[in-house]
Amino acid sequence: DAGITQSPRYKITETGRQVTLMCHQTWSHSYMFWYRQDLGHGLRLIYYSAAADITDKGEVPDGYVVSRSKTENFPLTLESATRSQTSVYFCASSPGLAGYNEQFFGPGTRLTVL
Amino acid sequence: DAKTTQPTSMDCAEGRAANLPCNHSTISGNEYVYWYRQIHSQGPQYIIHGLKNNETNEMASLIITEDRKSSTLILPHATLRDTAVYYCIVRIIQGAQKLVFGQGTRLTINP
Repeated sequence: DAGITQSPRYKITETGRQVTLMCHQTWSHSYMFWYRQDLGHGLRLIYYSAAADITDKGEVPDGYVVSRSKTENFPLTLESATRSQTSVYFCASSPGLAGYNEQFFGPGTRLTVL
Repeated sequence: DAKTTQPTSMDCAEGRAANLPCNHSTISGNEYVYWYRQIHSQGPQYIIHGLKNNETNEMASLIITEDRKSSTLILPHATLRDTAVYYCIVRIIQGAQKLVFGQGTRLTINP
């Protein structure tokens, strides 16, 4: 199906475990983003990517790793999960073209770290 | 990116026009005004954006004052499904493409 998908939609893990959240888009958009949303903080940018093999830090990158070997995929890895990383994670993509660069968001992944 | 100020919450009756204000007094000449909304538990959804002229699409209208220091998002005939948090974001249209979300306005449409 066309669009942007995230998997898993729900994940429970334990402190110290490695977790990878997947994001896949079918539009061949250049830009992809990872946000987290916590109560009282709104959405905060974790990492973003302008193209395959190009990534950059956002507002809250500590504890996260990203990669982008293919344009359509942008996985987010928590190398050693902590309770403070319990959150809802949203992936987004954007064409990145002048005049046409709104972001399209996925449905989110609700992550609980015990 | 310029900072925006929005009311924390608003109510509107179903079928009436919902007018959501946003102040962005420090906006620069090359910054656009974007509006997104987030319906409960879903990812944010793009609504509309503009530079200085009023804009309209199938979802909403955007009215930007002549001095560009404030704007209003108008949902012409609000429905219960328009209940959401609405975010006003000011940013340049080129560059790193980052969005900085504030707290937004929680709009409740009442039957």
